[in-house]
Amino acid sequence: DAGVIQSPRHEVTEMGQEVTLRCKPISGHDYLFWYRQTMMRGLELLIYFNNNVPIDDSGMPEDRFSAKMPNASFSTLKIQPSEPRDSAVYFCASQLSQSSYNEQFFGPGTRLTVL
Amino acid sequence: GQNIDQPTEMTATEGAIVQINCTYQTSGFNGLFWYQQHAGEAPTFLSYNVLDGLEEKGRFSSFLSRSKGYSYLLLKELQMKDSASYLCAVRDYNYGQNFVFGPGTRLSVLP
Repeated sequence: DAGVIQSPRHEVTEMGQEVTLRCKPISGHDYLFWYRQTMMRGLELLIYFNNNVPIDDSGMPEDRFSAKMPNASFSTLKIQPSEPRDSAVYFCASQLSQSSYNEQFFGPGTRLTVL
Repeated sequence: GQNIDQPTEMTATEGAIVQINCTYQTSGFNGLFWYQQHAGEAPTFLSYNVLDGLEEKGRFSSFLSRSKGYSYLLLKELQMKDSASYLCAVRDYNYGQNFVFGPGTRLSVLP
């Protein structure tokens, strides 16, 4: 398997623009997670899905953020409108199941810069 | 809520041994994971502990004491490529069995 795939790897946009981040999890993994990483706040969980269903989005900072998982092999995280404080690295991770020993596999991340 | 602490930065010399500590507080503990993250890259899994004791994996070992809410990652025979951030993550029943990550420890290995 190619691992978790994310695109784009880098995104530079202007304040107010819509941003869409994409993720393809490892085939067969039931869980998908979206994280945001900044120097100040570290790695924060935004939302996670189980079998394509959003389970907990309490980490999504505002209504400007939304996430979908239309099928088992694709998820998007959308920010509309974007703001400079959204600048961060966004990681997608997938996990086989919630058994205690299952680790999460991270994608390479999308580095977002909002000017 | 969950509270995980790690030292912010550590420095060690090539060939030496370094111990990175992690303390946590939760009533819903269900496993502790260590991840390595090189600058500009994704976190990658290093080790997992759910029972007390030491887990050894080559040059890396991880220890857990559930009664003390304490873990450490031990890196032996340090190499320059071990310069990275090391993240402690607790799997927590109180958070839907999801990971809560510590702030990370940035390790610099000097020649």
